[in-house]
Formats: sequence, C-alpha cells, structure tokens
Amino acid sequence: QVQLVESGGGQVKPGGSLRLSCAASGFTISDYYMSWIRQAPGKGPEWLSYISNTGKNTYDVESVKGRFTISRDNAKNSLFLQMSSLRVEDTAVYYCAKGGSYFDYWGQGILVTVSS
Amino acid sequence: DIQMTQSPSTLSASVGDRVTITCRASQSIGSWLAWYQQSPGEAPKFLIYKASTLQNGVPSRFSGSGSGTEFTLTISSLQPDDFATYYCQQYNNYPVTFGQGTKVEIK
Repeated sequence: QVQLVESGGGQVKPGGSLRLSCAASGFTISDYYMSWIRQAPGKGPEWLSYISNTGKNTYDVESVKGRFTISRDNAKNSLFLQMSSLRVEDTAVYYCAKGGSYFDYWGQGILVTVSS
Repeated sequence: DIQMTQSPSTLSASVGDRVTITCRASQSIGSWLAWYQQSPGEAPKFLIYKASTLQNGVPSRFSGSGSGTEFTLTISSLQPDDFATYYCQQYNNYPVTFGQGTKVEIK
C-alpha cells in the first residue's frame, strides 16, 4: 500500500535551515507530481510547493518563494524540502503528499518548530 | 489567491444525523474542489475530488455537490468515525488553497 514517511524535522532558531525528506513506498514516485503541505497548530492545511514527476517544473506559494526549495530523487523514491531563513511563523507540521492538484495520500507529518 | 470559506466552523450532531457542510470560493472554480477528513493527531484523509467523485474506499454515506462558487459535503447518516474536522480545497488555480475547516463534534 502507499506509504509516505517524513523525516528531518525538529527545532531550529529563526534564520536557521532544515532539510525535510519523504520516503515513498507502494507506488512509483516518478509517475506522479508530489507536494509539500504544512499545517500550523489549530489551522487549516497550507499547500507550499509542487514538483513535476520529472522534477523539471516546480511551483511555490509566495510565502516560501526564495526560502524553500522542493526537489526529488526518483531513483530513491524520495522527495525533499530544503528550508532556509526560517521564521517563527514557519512553525507547523509538514506533510509530503502525492499529487500536485489534489492529494490522495499524505504522510504522517513531521513537526518543525522555529523558536529562539 | 482564491479564498475558501467553510460554514459552520463547528457543527454538533448525533450518530445517525444527516449533516451538511458548506464551502464557498471567492471566485468561480468550476468543479475543481476536493474534500478531506482529519481526525486529531492524524494526517488529512482524501474523500472527494471534482466536487462529487468519491475516492475509492470512501463510504457511500459521504457525498459532494456544487459548482462555481458554492459546494456542499453531506454525510447522510453520521457514524462514530465521522466525528472529525473537514476541509475543502480548490485546485482551479495555483496556489491551491484550503478552507479553514469544519469540526463535527458529538452533540
């Protein structure tokens, strides 16, 4: 069955960096667009970025443009999110998700806390 | 960006009740709408796409309708597993955007 497992979260100071990884299994990641979505405590989900199945095309929401970079390694069935210049308001649970428009499978999520 | 507004924010209901959640878009999105269910501490679960098409495995008591700017999610007979928060999401334009959620709680 489809499984997505995020890793790499944790606590970081404002201005710091973090790299999230997502290991996919149960399907061939190279056949699908993939996305990162986050959810701040008590809020609705916020879609952040998608990457096309080949990795050639990406799209980021304005709030993370220039700070977050989505990438993928199809050979390793993995998705990544490089986050830099982190802000307190980036504190959230981060999910990787299958799809680029709607999202039929989500990982369990990983907490990123930005605090001094 | 397209704003998605759900109502009500909280809905109190009993097992067996019929419940309806409304989602409004700030501009027309055709039928490009999805619905998700989220239980506490879990990731959202995908229920419906293209406004009314049920994802495989989703119980038939769930149904979606609407087009343009107004959409509804209906649960025909509420079951214990259905007490959760529901989100709508538009994918007509990027960035795709979610509603703020409707919590269905036990009356």
